[in-house]
Amino acid sequence: EIVLTQSPGTLSLSPGERATLSCRASQSVSSSYLAWYQQKPGQAPRVLIYGASSRATGIPDRFSGSGSGTDFTLTISRLEPEDLAVYYCQQYGSSLYTFGQGTKLEIK
Amino acid sequence: QVQLQESGPGLVKPSETLSLTCTVSGGSVSRNSYYWSWIRQPPGKGLEWIGYIYYSGSTSYNPSLKSRVTISQDTSNNQFSLKLTSVTAADTAVYYCARSDWFYYNFDYWGQGTMVTVSS
Repeated sequence: EIVLTQSPGTLSLSPGERATLSCRASQSVSSSYLAWYQQKPGQAPRVLIYGASSRATGIPDRFSGSGSGTDFTLTISRLEPEDLAVYYCQQYGSSLYTFGQGTKLEIK
Repeated sequence: QVQLQESGPGLVKPSETLSLTCTVSGGSVSRNSYYWSWIRQPPGKGLEWIGYIYYSGSTSYNPSLKSRVTISQDTSNNQFSLKLTSVTAADTAVYYCARSDWFYYNFDYWGQGTMVTVSS
């Protein structure tokens, strides 16, 4: 089973700044099967990025994904107050899904 | 637009069986290419995938829960269901149902979630 480790655990930034969130896998992950989600308080998660770098429908271009193998990154440029949320990475392999433990993004 | 809605008891006693149903609208659980999953989130914690059922009826479960989980589908009512046996307080969580596809395997549609508390 592939374990995903996200860092940092919490990120505190100001509006307009750039956020860089990391997701590291315990073994190589197919880029096609790596996704990022945003979960705002009291809501279900929603997909932001799939296939490591493709934005889901309706997601602003401030959100971008990159990476391959065992290291993946979600970048949020020009932070806005509404970006307050927990962000999760997720992978699929060998008929199993796993999630990272999440990064909490705080907006100062 | 695909919509998913979880339903079931909000309170389950320890050692009993948790049973939830997800009703799908705007799409078919028997349509080729989609996986239908259950995912849970304990209060204040992260997401844990429980398992899925494929349109064909084949299933896959999280190894940590496999001995206690059964996911089934009811194509006539366009639903799929979760049964989790021998529950404890550690199974207290918000339970989500969600859809993923065969190509990118990401969860593109989610239910709103239902809170299940295990307590006597």
